[in-house]
Amino acid sequence: RKEVEQDPGPFNVPEGATVAFNCTYSNSASQSFFWYRQDCRKEPKLLMSVYSSGNEDGRFTAQLNRASQYISLLIRDSKLSDSATYLCVVNAFGNEKLTFGTGTRLTIIP
Amino acid sequence: EAGVVQSPRYKIIEKKQPVAFWCNPISGHNTLYWYRQNLGQGPELLIRYENEEAVDDSQLPKDRFSAERLKGVDSTLKIQPAELGDSAVYLCASSLGTLGANVLTFGAGSRLTVL
Repeated sequence: RKEVEQDPGPFNVPEGATVAFNCTYSNSASQSFFWYRQDCRKEPKLLMSVYSSGNEDGRFTAQLNRASQYISLLIRDSKLSDSATYLCVVNAFGNEKLTFGTGTRLTIIP
Repeated sequence: EAGVVQSPRYKIIEKKQPVAFWCNPISGHNTLYWYRQNLGQGPELLIRYENEEAVDDSQLPKDRFSAERLKGVDSTLKIQPAELGDSAVYLCASSLGTLGANVLTFGAGSRLTVL
């Protein structure tokens, strides 16, 4: 099993819809969780950290489920500008090393 | 505030040639990372520095790859000789370094094509 796994997609979603992605991780000792966004041919950029109690930033909600070892990202009222690849990032070895998932590609359709 | 600066942005070389990439991290960021990203994949860590010390180079192919961060600021990543499979984007990132603050800021990357 990979340390961090994501559904690569692509997810093609109509504008205004709600979409959610999950990311599973294999090490129960992992403590740091993030979602990064990567636009085509650009560098990854931090979208949001994921906290134990779950957190929200505008239309974006991140959740952590320690029992089932996954994190999720929910995007409400999706915009065309949300089209990107969403990378799950975990300190999969319980230390400072951050491991990236392969990313989930999202396309918002007008 | 200047972000992470990388150069060159693009490099095309023939196989067996050497190539070097340079990175200047965000001022005050003690931790510096080199990642490699292949098409359709997430970034994979090559090496992590805490100041000038390489604390994790377990994924660096040491037969042909080398890196240095002599004064704990700028870093270079070298490949010699390059192989076709080295074609990828080489991303440098920096962070404040502690576990709770290890949000990564990436540079724009250096895209390598080996012919």
